Amino acid sequence: EPEVTQTPSHQVTQMGQEVILRCVPISNHLYFYWYRQILGQKVEFLVSFYNNEISEKSEIFDDQFSVERPDGSNFTLKIRSTKLEDSAMYFCASSREDTNTGELFFGEGSRLTVL
Amino acid sequence: GENVEQHPSTLSVQEGDSAVIKCTYSDSASNYFPWYKQELGKRPQLIIDIRSNVGEKKDQRIAVTLNKTAKHFSLHITETQPEDSAVYFCAAPLRTGNQFYFGTGTSLTVIP
Repeated sequence: EPEVTQTPSHQVTQMGQEVILRCVPISNHLYFYWYRQILGQKVEFLVSFYNNEISEKSEIFDDQFSVERPDGSNFTLKIRSTKLEDSAMYFCASSREDTNTGELFFGEGSRLTVL
Repeated sequence: GENVEQHPSTLSVQEGDSAVIKCTYSDSASNYFPWYKQELGKRPQLIIDIRSNVGEKKDQRIAVTLNKTAKHFSLHITETQPEDSAVYFCAAPLRTGNQFYFGTGTSLTVIP
């Protein structure tokens, strides 16, 4: 069964450093998402991406965040200058249809620890 | 954005009993409501979903009910087993945008 894959599974970085989290969505999916989950808290929406552009973003997704689909398979989240409060699990997700009709498929997550 | 409220935040039941988790949402145009189960350290996984054209959906021991008028939907787990212990999240989409909002989660513990 096809699934969303994410790398790295865990990254430790120093505050102020740039981090890139990578995702390979399911191949016939058209909608891509990044979510964040701080330990013990709910899953928070960051950004959705469709047709090679951001379709929605939350208040969390400020200027230090960016997303890119550099080729036909990868979908990346870049955090430009990490802060302690960016420590969280970052989940990539994809869906074949938009959120009012289609199931989200999540990757295993990338745990980011900012020291 | 969509406001999704979920109750209770924690729930303990004896094995074999039923568990019910409730969510309310604010966007009356939402019409797809999934429930996700998240085990410790794992990704959320869809367990059941419902669309607004039906009031109830069942899959073995799991059922979801939807009341569109009142804007709430519930997850029902019958004959609970220890492996049902996890955090459960409801979600609702914002109709005017391409994003899901998740509830705050319910930590379910099934006591053997």
